Amino acid sequence: GENVEQHPSTLSVQEGDSAVIKCTYSDSASNYFPWYKQELGKGPQLIIDIRSNVGEKKDQRIAVTLNKTAKHFSLHITETQPEDSAVYFCAAKGNTNAGKSTFGDGTTLTVKP
Amino acid sequence: GAVVSQHPSRVICKSGTSVKIECRSLDFQATTMFWYRQFPKQSLMLMATSNEGSKATYEQGVEKDKFLINHASLTLSTLTVTSAHPEDSSFYICSASISDYGYTFGSGTRLTVV
Repeated sequence: GENVEQHPSTLSVQEGDSAVIKCTYSDSASNYFPWYKQELGKGPQLIIDIRSNVGEKKDQRIAVTLNKTAKHFSLHITETQPEDSAVYFCAAKGNTNAGKSTFGDGTTLTVKP
Repeated sequence: GAVVSQHPSRVICKSGTSVKIECRSLDFQATTMFWYRQFPKQSLMLMATSNEGSKATYEQGVEKDKFLINHASLTLSTLTVTSAHPEDSSFYICSASISDYGYTFGSGTRLTVV
């Protein structure tokens, strides 16, 4: 089955700096890669996603890049703010496996004011 | 946007009792819903996939008789934790498939068994 590895597990940055979180996946059939933000005591919220036919996608301060050959994708947050502090999960999904996604282990991002 | 309403947000129950958690899709029809369990500072662990009108598909190691899932309509899926024990205390989250690719998550239920 699919295996998703996420790094780093914790990340601390100064407000205004950039943050990068990386994920690798194992199943070359995976074709959808979402990123979720989870605040304490709440469910995950989709912040950005990318499909395998695209190499990069940007939404204001958030961007995701995908390297299908190397099977890795990254989340980039620029001009970080304290409210960006949360746990971020990457996931990978293919057309098979009954629509299930495989999640990374999460990255706890702390943005210091 | 697609919203999944999950209730209750928190529940405390006594050992041996059963607890029901509901997830409702508010503005769309969810033919497929997923139930996850999350331990503190860990990732989401898929427990089961429920499809409207059919039996849920459980992941390996998940006791189907303990975690009863019902998806009787296109807008409601329920998870019942039967004969709860303290080790069942966890954060339970549902999600609904909103397209061939996307999901939307409920807000989660913090279950504490005392």
